[in-house]
Amino acid sequence: SQQGEEDPQALSIQEGENATMNCSYKTSINNLQWYRQNSGRGLVHLILIRSNEREKHSGRLRVTLDTSKKSSSLLITASRAADTASYFCATDGDSGYSTLTFGKGTMLLVSP
Amino acid sequence: DSGVTQTPKHLITATGQRVTLRCSPRSGDLSVYWYQQSLDQGLQFLIQYYNGEERAKGNILERFSAQQFPDLHSELNLSSLELGDSALYFCASSMNDGYQPQHFGDGTRLSIL
Repeated sequence: SQQGEEDPQALSIQEGENATMNCSYKTSINNLQWYRQNSGRGLVHLILIRSNEREKHSGRLRVTLDTSKKSSSLLITASRAADTASYFCATDGDSGYSTLTFGKGTMLLVSP
Repeated sequence: DSGVTQTPKHLITATGQRVTLRCSPRSGDLSVYWYQQSLDQGLQFLIQYYNGEERAKGNILERFSAQQFPDLHSELNLSSLELGDSALYFCASSMNDGYQPQHFGDGTRLSIL
């Protein structure tokens, strides 16, 4: 079953605009990670935020985490056509293992 | 390039057959994870190996099995294949068994006819 659920399912914006994707999860976590998947390729790790962190930045990416609401958001600023991809959140849950549970993803289309 | 190599890239076979998917993890990584990605189920964790030992099991069918060899490469064996097994199968690796990023290969696309 999916632990994380991304919202929206699909997002279409113009180059230069910001893109915000949200993720909700059900159980307590140690970390939450965001991944990107280009069509037909494997997932690429973007950023990891620990449960005791509230915000993290990496280049044009900003991730927030609200453990009280069991939710996270990924903001991509000044989007580029190359950002077109599917974005997934992944949580490690409270199983005691390092395995990840992925949501179904948000498909982002950035038009030139 | 993630450093994780999966072969073959594509596999077409018939129902009832058996196939083996292979994964070479990133150099130095001890953990290997297998995932199945399909349109209806999304990305599902199947199984994890750490330094040759099975570490965690997810939604892996009894018809599926995996192993990790002393050189740390891993194989996923799928038998008695059904149409519903058609999917992308990904291997990922990480340095150890902690909470850290996983590095994914480009997957094997399995088509069952």
